Amino acid sequence: GQNIDQPTEMTATEGAIVQINCTYQTSGFNGLFWYQQHAGEAPTFLSYNVLDGLEEKGRFSSFLSRSKGYSYLLLKELQMKDSASYLCAVEDNYGQNFVFGPGTRLSVLP
Amino acid sequence: KAGVTQTPRYLIKTRGQQVTLSCSPISGHRSVSWYQQTPGQGLQFLFEYFSETQRNKGNFPGRFSGRQFSNSRSEMNVSTLELGDSALYLCASRLEGQGASYEQYFGPGTRLTVT
Repeated sequence: GQNIDQPTEMTATEGAIVQINCTYQTSGFNGLFWYQQHAGEAPTFLSYNVLDGLEEKGRFSSFLSRSKGYSYLLLKELQMKDSASYLCAVEDNYGQNFVFGPGTRLSVLP
Repeated sequence: KAGVTQTPRYLIKTRGQQVTLSCSPISGHRSVSWYQQTPGQGLQFLFEYFSETQRNKGNFPGRFSGRQFSNSRSEMNVSTLELGDSALYLCASRLEGQGASYEQYFGPGTRLTVT
């Protein structure tokens, strides 16, 4: 079956660093995506990993370990505007089917 | 470049009715996917169309259907609406081809309420 797990909620302080974990078990694997979704808005793309290792993009980094079925999103120098839900999604290799995790709601406090 | 657009943005229907939602992808994107998002179930994949063909389908009943036109615009239809169909329906488009990125671009969604 397809299963993706993420913590439901996290809280962090402005200026801090937070790591959001994602574990997955899917029938295939063709890449892992992270999306950000502010309340009432559509998800927007943050990062993509298909090979093991760290991908860095400004304040955001994403890590993937395919052997462990594990990824994390690292957010540095947190800002209030980073308060949002963060969705982990796996593209399985049977066509272009995306499986999304339940999302992690991050609250950044002053 | 214009983003993904969806119409209507909000819709209220009664149980038993049917509804059609529309999605216009980003110009040049031929892949269009549909998702249902609810607080309890999160984002769930409905189906994906590419060049007017349904290429992939999620685990939803046959009441949910879709199609894609030659200009890549897509519609999804839900027949015999149930209360549980109340959700945000998101459409996403993606560019495919050699050298193209793989991320999906989401539209603002259609908020469907079934009473």
